[in-house]
Amino acid sequence: DADVTQTPRNRITKTGKRIMLECSQTKGHDRMYWYRQDPGLGLQLIYYSFDVKDINKGEISDGYSVSRQAQAKFSLSLESAIPNQTALYFCATSDRQGADTQYFGPGTRLTVL
Amino acid sequence: DAKTTQPPSMDCAEGRAANLPCNHSTISGNEYVYWYRQIHSQGPQYIIHGLKNNETNEMASLIITEDRKSSTLILPHATLRDTAVYYCIVRVGANYGGSQGNLIFGKGTKLSVKP
Repeated sequence: DADVTQTPRNRITKTGKRIMLECSQTKGHDRMYWYRQDPGLGLQLIYYSFDVKDINKGEISDGYSVSRQAQAKFSLSLESAIPNQTALYFCATSDRQGADTQYFGPGTRLTVL
Repeated sequence: DAKTTQPPSMDCAEGRAANLPCNHSTISGNEYVYWYRQIHSQGPQYIIHGLKNNETNEMASLIITEDRKSSTLILPHATLRDTAVYYCIVRVGANYGGSQGNLIFGKGTKLSVKP
């Protein structure tokens, strides 16, 4: 079984809808991250969490919110989706000692019409 | 974090060694070199990292020059499944008080392994 899972894997939605992307991990890591990737570009950090009570904004947090429900779960929400949020979304985890050795999930392809 | 420069693309014959270069001429003494790769539309995959010494694991070898201004990732026997974009990232280590936040993925090198 995969260590980092994301649901859904694909989602098509309409402008203005609320969307939640979920991430779960079985690696026992404290730290979790949400990135987005636009076609042909690198990854940009949306939010990150160093533990359940520690949530931090990344480079592009506007229009997004997160919830760290437990050590193993980190959800990303788009309160009112817009077309330019169409992208690939990746969740990642790391432990405290190896913060830059991050393990990524398979990604969620989100399309906002 | 230091800036890195990588060639945009490279080709390699299947079964041969793939040598991917990375320049990081402004690297500081407390910055590590990390390599990740991303196979088409999949999540990035950690490969290897190092500070000063050369490193080897089951996936690859990392050769860092003595002045640390450049490094080379070596895939010893490339296969078709190694076709991916390879990212070289330089980061202040967590043990040196690094930001421990986001990884900055540039454009990387697109490696095409051909039969």
